[in-house]
Amino acid sequence: TQLLEQSPQFLSIQEGENLTVYCNSSSVFSSLQWYRQEPGEGPVLLVTVVTGGEVKKLKRLTFQFGDARKDSSLHITAAQPGDTGLYLCAGDRSNYQLIWGAGTKLIIKP
Amino acid sequence: DAGVIQSPRHEVTEMGQEVTLRCKPISGHNSLFWYRQTMMRGLELLIYFNNNVPIDDSGMPEDRFSAKMPNASFSTLKIQPSEPRDSAVYFCASTRLAGPGGETQYFGPGTRLLVL
Repeated sequence: TQLLEQSPQFLSIQEGENLTVYCNSSSVFSSLQWYRQEPGEGPVLLVTVVTGGEVKKLKRLTFQFGDARKDSSLHITAAQPGDTGLYLCAGDRSNYQLIWGAGTKLIIKP
Repeated sequence: DAGVIQSPRHEVTEMGQEVTLRCKPISGHNSLFWYRQTMMRGLELLIYFNNNVPIDDSGMPEDRFSAKMPNASFSTLKIQPSEPRDSAVYFCASTRLAGPGGETQYFGPGTRLLVL
């Protein structure tokens, strides 16, 4: 049973389009992290959201934490080929272990 | 800062052979994680060390897998004997965990293991 459900699993769009990736759970998290992983490398942290309803922006990427701290979304505006990668969300339940989603594989075609 | 260092980057071995993966965490980090990543199962936590002590090894698939952390700057993950289903990318990650609560995990580049 996946405690963190990510959707979609795979997304291929044209450069310039907008997209949203979702990370949902029935569990409450004290914080939620988004990572991006490029081929042949390990995941790299993009952002951590902590407060329910929090919105963080990282250039063209907008991250939102749900009010109940059970879900999160990542919105990319005007996607570029450099955004291609595997996007992983990871929830923290106030212990040592992060709960990982299965990931969304994103391909941005020029 | 050199980041988390893993070796080897690639390993091809035959079924039944012993495989040893190595990790050097970021200096000053007191927590270390070993993960396995496959297309089918995604990122799975195998074992977690805090201050060189194994805290949770419930993710270790079976007795063929073992991990050690003899000091704060080195850890190994050993598979003996290896099987084709062990083929995956193995990541080591470290963090400066002051206590309960998530911190950024810094991942190494991974070891891509292929067992024939």
